[in-house]
Order: sequence, then C-alpha cells, then structure tokens
Amino acid sequence: NAGVTQTPKFQVLKTGQSMTLQCAQDMNHNSMYWYRQDPGMGLRLIYYSASEGTTDKGEVPNGYNVSRLNKREFSLRLESAAPSQTSVYFCASSEYGDRARTDTQYFGPGTRLTVL
Amino acid sequence: ELKVEQNPLFLSMQEGKNYTIYCNYSTTSDRLYWYRQDPGKSLESLFVLLSNGAVKQEGRLMASLDTKARLSTLHITAAVHDLSATYFCAVDPQGAQKLVFGQGTRLTINP
Repeated sequence: NAGVTQTPKFQVLKTGQSMTLQCAQDMNHNSMYWYRQDPGMGLRLIYYSASEGTTDKGEVPNGYNVSRLNKREFSLRLESAAPSQTSVYFCASSEYGDRARTDTQYFGPGTRLTVL
Repeated sequence: ELKVEQNPLFLSMQEGKNYTIYCNYSTTSDRLYWYRQDPGKSLESLFVLLSNGAVKQEGRLMASLDTKARLSTLHITAAVHDLSATYFCAVDPQGAQKLVFGQGTRLTINP
C-alpha cells in the first residue's frame, strides 16, 4: 500500500496563478483532510471531507477550494495564489467513525508551495 | 477559540536523560493525538488517547491524558539521539477529527 500520496512535491507560483494539489489514498478511508503548515506553527485545517460527496470548511479556508472526486481522491485548488499561501500542504485520511474510535489520521509526504 | 499550547517549544537534552513535554488545551476534547515529525518529512502517528487517565507507552515514549485538567504529557525515558524530532499534540474538540494542533516541540538530543 502506498498510503497517502500527494502531487506535486514542490511548486513555485507567481502571484495570481492558479493550481491544484492532488491527493489520493489507498486505505479505503472515508475521511480526508487538507492542512497547511507554516514555520514555527502546528498544522491548521483548511478543508475536510467526512465522506465521498461532502466537504466542509476548516480553520483557514479562505483562498482555497476543494473537490472530493471519489472516495480515493481529494484535491485542493488555489484560484489566485497569494504570497501568504506560501506553505507546506499536507493531505491526510482516516477511517473516522464510531467503529474506528481508535484510528488516527495518516498523512501524505507534503507539497512545498512558494508563491512569489 | 480553542487553544492548544505545548511547553516547551524547544528542548535540548542529553542522551540518557528523562524529560516531559506538556500539552494544554482550552476546551473539552473527545480525544488527543501525539505525532512525530522529522525535518522535511511528514507526520507519523505516535499515540491516540481516548479517555481520562489513558496511558500509552511505546519504547522510550509514554503519553498520558488528564481530561479534567485538559492536559496531556509525553514523557521521554533515557533519551536517545533517534528521538530527535518535532512532536505535536492535537485535540479533536468536535469529535469529527477536525484536529487542532499545538505549535510543536522541537526536541534535540545530544550525545
């Protein structure tokens, strides 16, 4: 199993450009998440998807959109990139639910994004 | 607003010593998580603590949870260099795995 995969690993954008970060998991998890990590800070939740077909905002959703394409894939889109969106982006998945109370989130390798 | 605060933020210690990282949070939470992150890498799950008084141990690491005090600790016993990393705690206040992370504790263990 590959676990959680993300593409690309690195990306440099100019202000105003758009891009989509891709995430896929092969663990048959229902829930998927997008976080950003800034220097000296913990991770902050951008958006999450509790199940296929549903998405909801997290702590810092402004400037982002998401799509839960199917159970495996959850993409994050920056429509008009800004320097404040320079960060490391992590995707995660989990088997959330009453029958999986002990489960944790499994994280992808991250995408390092720089917006100039 | 929920706050999750870790203490200390930076910790440099010698091999063989014991130390504790503290994680305080400001509201009730269904569960608490500990993760490890090596430089430039992703996060690796260490522990999931589900109830008051929960204690879990893995090798030289032991985590505990006191929900009444809204406090979790990560205790390191006889530290070794391989434990050098950044450690994060995270809480799940809504029970929906919308995790709120602490700032992280950067641990450096010197020979």
